[in-house]
Amino acid sequence: QKEVEQNSGPLSVPEGAIASLNCTYSDRGSQSFFWYRQYSGKSPELIMFIYSNGDKEDGRFTAQLNKASQYVSLLIRDSQPSDSATYLCAVNTGNQFYFGTGTSLTVIP
Amino acid sequence: NAGVMQNPRHLVRRRGQEARLRCSPMKGHSHVYWYRQLPEEGLKFMVYLQKENIIDESGMPKERFSAEFPKEGPSILRIQQVVRGDSAAYFCASSAADRETQYFGPGTRLLVL
Repeated sequence: QKEVEQNSGPLSVPEGAIASLNCTYSDRGSQSFFWYRQYSGKSPELIMFIYSNGDKEDGRFTAQLNKASQYVSLLIRDSQPSDSATYLCAVNTGNQFYFGTGTSLTVIP
Repeated sequence: NAGVMQNPRHLVRRRGQEARLRCSPMKGHSHVYWYRQLPEEGLKFMVYLQKENIIDESGMPKERFSAEFPKEGPSILRIQQVVRGDSAAYFCASSAADRETQYFGPGTRLLVL
């Protein structure tokens, strides 16, 4: 069983729509959770982190954490073509960071 | 505002040669992580270091690969006797503490001919 699982996609949404990206993790002791964006040929760029159950909003991005269900999600409102990238979910178990394989998002103009 | 720095950005080696990848963490960060990413695949953890200490090397192949983070200077990932399968992007990330957010460098793209 993988530590962090993501739907690889690709996920396509029209410009202006809400994109919903999901991630599950296996270690109940996981303490912190991160979303990174990676453009093709570039390095991962931190978008958001969340430590507590509930929602955390930053601009057009909202991270949601449900520790009971071991589930993390990222919502992107008013999606733009520039949001087209691979989104990586990462989990810190206290010993190590684990990354999902990423979800490819395409925002169609 | 210097972020995480890696060099070289691109490295070409022939089979059997050595590859040395360097990483300077963000100012104020003392924790360094190395990852490997193959095309169309996710990031694979290799090693986690603090100054002069290897904390976790569970993701690093036992042969040909080594890493260090000396008291002075950058962290170095060393690959001896490279093979074609070592061709990948190698990313370094740094954090201020082991549970803090990691910030990534631009990566080194290694190509083994």
